[in-house]
Amino acid sequence: DAKTTQPPSMDCAEGRAANLPCNHSTISGNEYVYWYRQIHSQGPQYIIHGLKNNETNEMASLIITEDRKSSTLILPHATLRDTAVYYCIVRTSMTTDSWGKLQFGAGTQVVVTP
Amino acid sequence: DAGVIQSPRHEVTEMGQEVTLRCKPISGHNSLFWYRQTMMRGLELLIYFNNNVPIDDSGMPEDRFSAKMPNASFSTLKIQPSEPRDSAVYFCASRTSGGVDTQYFGPGTRLTVL
Repeated sequence: DAKTTQPPSMDCAEGRAANLPCNHSTISGNEYVYWYRQIHSQGPQYIIHGLKNNETNEMASLIITEDRKSSTLILPHATLRDTAVYYCIVRTSMTTDSWGKLQFGAGTQVVVTP
Repeated sequence: DAGVIQSPRHEVTEMGQEVTLRCKPISGHNSLFWYRQTMMRGLELLIYFNNNVPIDDSGMPEDRFSAKMPNASFSTLKIQPSEPRDSAVYFCASRTSGGVDTQYFGPGTRLTVL
């Protein structure tokens, strides 16, 4: 699975959009981009994933560049409860008989301030 | 929906003692993962099961660690004998096979070996 690069930390003001970048320049055609986050003292939590197209759900939006070498997770209106470590992971898709590992890197520590 | 259940939430033991961590995956999920998280090494996958069968235990640090999944609703991670360097937070996660790799994590067990 391709390796990802994320900034170690970033701050965001409450109520503003938080844009979290991730570089995955060695991503291959069948690899998805996944985002998880880990709030302090809790287990990681799935946020969103995508392959080529931009994706949106109730938690966030995922913007993937056309060449797929980078992506941005957008938290549209950050709240204090969004303070967490955010992990960008790339891996192949799952099929019925295949499985694999989520390789968690160091992630980005996001601090949302009042 | 109870989510992934882990017990105990906290465990303090002395070096040389046996430690057993327990996990109940989400009903209907047939893949189960054990992770370990430390400040130094981050979040590491130890072992994962599919349909109660261990698929990859390459992340298990050494023979002192063992994991079992006797049925679809229960798994254990055992450390015998425990050492201070085993102190960490141990997470269990589960998901369904196939499709996207959305893993649901438990709250973790914080293990301290004195």
